[in-house]
Amino acid sequence: ILNVEQSPQSLHVQEGDSTNFTCSFPSSNFYALHWYRWETAKSPEALFVMTLNGDEKKKGRISATLNTKEGYSYLYIKGSQPEDSATYLCAFRDTGNQFYFGTGTSLTVIP
Amino acid sequence: EAQVTQNPRYLITVTGKKLTVTCSQNMNHEYMSWYRQDPGLGLRQIYYSMNVEVTDKGDVPEGYKVSRKEKRNFPLILESPSPNQTSLYFCASSLSGRTGYTFGSGTRLTVV
Repeated sequence: ILNVEQSPQSLHVQEGDSTNFTCSFPSSNFYALHWYRWETAKSPEALFVMTLNGDEKKKGRISATLNTKEGYSYLYIKGSQPEDSATYLCAFRDTGNQFYFGTGTSLTVIP
Repeated sequence: EAQVTQNPRYLITVTGKKLTVTCSQNMNHEYMSWYRQDPGLGLRQIYYSMNVEVTDKGDVPEGYKVSRKEKRNFPLILESPSPNQTSLYFCASSLSGRTGYTFGSGTRLTVV
């Protein structure tokens, strides 16, 4: 079983703070790295899909970077807002088309 | 509206009684997959399908079957459910290997 680790497990920040989380994954057999946002009582929603080493993606105040050689990705949220409160999941897709999800980082933004 | 539709949303059943959870997508996606979510564990892949009549085992396929007879449908079959299959199940689809998943609303299954 392949290991995808996310840290921290949970995070509480004040509104307006910037924050970041980490996703670690195997550096071999890499195909793609996905980030999802999962709000309580809803389904996960895709944020980014990254495939190339050095990739950087941005959507509004959220951005992500990818390092496939060392096996990590960072997700950044600039100026956190209460509506950013959610669990953020990363998923590693290997060259055999299987997906492995991390357990997520739970973010709470305090107004 | 582009979506993945799962049914039922909630199901309580007894050990050994065969059941099917349906999944349908209207986006002409090639790739479909089933996951289960258990407390303290990440989403774990049960089965996936790259196209019609092509299915493969994920991380935790034991006790489950799938079929992909049409592109839009990917049902999950539990031939003889057991209590350790009590879980939250998600169906998901994507256009290709380089696009994100669209997830269904989830099915909460309890096997007693």
